[in-house]
Amino acid sequence: EAQVTQNPRYLITVTGKKLTVTCSQNMNHEYMSWYRQDPGLGLRQIYYSMNVEVTDKGDVPEGYKVSRKEKRNFPLILESPSPNQTSLYFCASSLLAPPVAYEQYFGPGTRLTVT
Amino acid sequence: KNEVEQSPQNLTAQEGEFITINCSYSVGISALHWLQQHPGGGIVSLFMLSSGKKKHGRLIATINIQEKHSSLHITASHPRDSAVYICAVPLYNTDKLIFGTGTRLQVFP
Repeated sequence: EAQVTQNPRYLITVTGKKLTVTCSQNMNHEYMSWYRQDPGLGLRQIYYSMNVEVTDKGDVPEGYKVSRKEKRNFPLILESPSPNQTSLYFCASSLLAPPVAYEQYFGPGTRLTVT
Repeated sequence: KNEVEQSPQNLTAQEGEFITINCSYSVGISALHWLQQHPGGGIVSLFMLSSGKKKHGRLIATINIQEKHSSLHITASHPRDSAVYICAVPLYNTDKLIFGTGTRLQVFP
């Protein structure tokens, strides 16, 4: 089954404790992206990757890091989480990057709370 | 001004009603996406269209490129259609999608 998986689905952590949210896709997609979703603001892009070893900042990259060492995996790293990073996070992938029109596949989401 | 605007923000309907959700955008695009976010949070792609109309079951999406406007219609709405509907457009000549803030639909029996 074609899918994007994220782990963990829920996470409560404390300020400053490094964490990683994993994302993996099994569709051989080149384009992967991380978004955060906050009430009233919609989905905002954090980082994206065009292919292995090619990553770039989205609209809200501060406080986040990513890596793309393998095509299928695109982890999101919070080196020193802060309460303003409490949010719902989605990983997504598509065969190629926008503006080429390909269907977007989203992971199930990770609800992060930083206290 | 947001580059992608949806209306209405919230919508309630009785089962069986015809639903219309609108999306207007201010940038040049190659295609527009309609997404559905279930109450549990998961997001699925409903449509991707660059012209005309697409239909899938009771859902119909239309787009007018000249007017920079798209609509999502739901015929014979059902409580299981209750969700947030999001439109998204790729910024032309960029690698990014930008999203509307969504329309929350509740369909009551």
